[in-house]
Amino acid sequence: QVQLVQSGAEVKKPGASVKVSCKASGYTFTSYYMHWVRQAPGQGLEWMGIINPSGGSTSYAQKFQGRVTMTRDTSTSTVYMELSSLRSEDTAVYYCARPLDTAILYWGQGTLVTVSS
Amino acid sequence: DIQMTQSPSSLSASVGDRVTITCQASQDISNYLNWYQQKPGKAPKLLIYDASNLETGVPSRFSGSGSGTDFTFTISSLQPEDIATYYCQQYDNLGITFGQGTRLEIK
Repeated sequence: QVQLVQSGAEVKKPGASVKVSCKASGYTFTSYYMHWVRQAPGQGLEWMGIINPSGGSTSYAQKFQGRVTMTRDTSTSTVYMELSSLRSEDTAVYYCARPLDTAILYWGQGTLVTVSS
Repeated sequence: DIQMTQSPSSLSASVGDRVTITCQASQDISNYLNWYQQKPGKAPKLLIYDASNLETGVPSRFSGSGSGTDFTFTISSLQPEDIATYYCQQYDNLGITFGQGTRLEIK
């Protein structure tokens, strides 16, 4: 069965960076793109970007251009999302999410990133 | 970027009621529209894909319709376990966009 297991909660200071990991299992890692979606407390879902684990190509939402970097390690079937220059508004639960065609069928358990001085 | 306008933002209904949520895209998205249910503290769950297809294992009281720019999500007979927030989501070659969400409560 498909599983996406994310790294644990993080607390960061404003201006710092955070790197969240998402380890995939139960399918061929390089056969499916991976999205990153975040959700601030009490707010809706916000798409951050997507990575192709096969070649490593990425596409980021305009809002996060220049601050987000998505990478992958095919040897461990893991994707990473790094967000820099953190501010309080970046406090959110971050999800990796694997699509099936145009929909997202599988989600990680979420990683809470708290930005606080 | 394609914007998704979802309404209402919140909805209160009684058990057994028919519930309808709408989503409007800022431009034609064909049938690239999906619906999700999210319960507190949980990741979203896919209910409807490609506007009208029921995901495997999802109860038949959930349905979706529409194409182009206007889409509808319906629960034919509201059950207590349906209390959640519902999101539409579109897909295009620039990425995906979610609607603002509809919080569904029991009256």
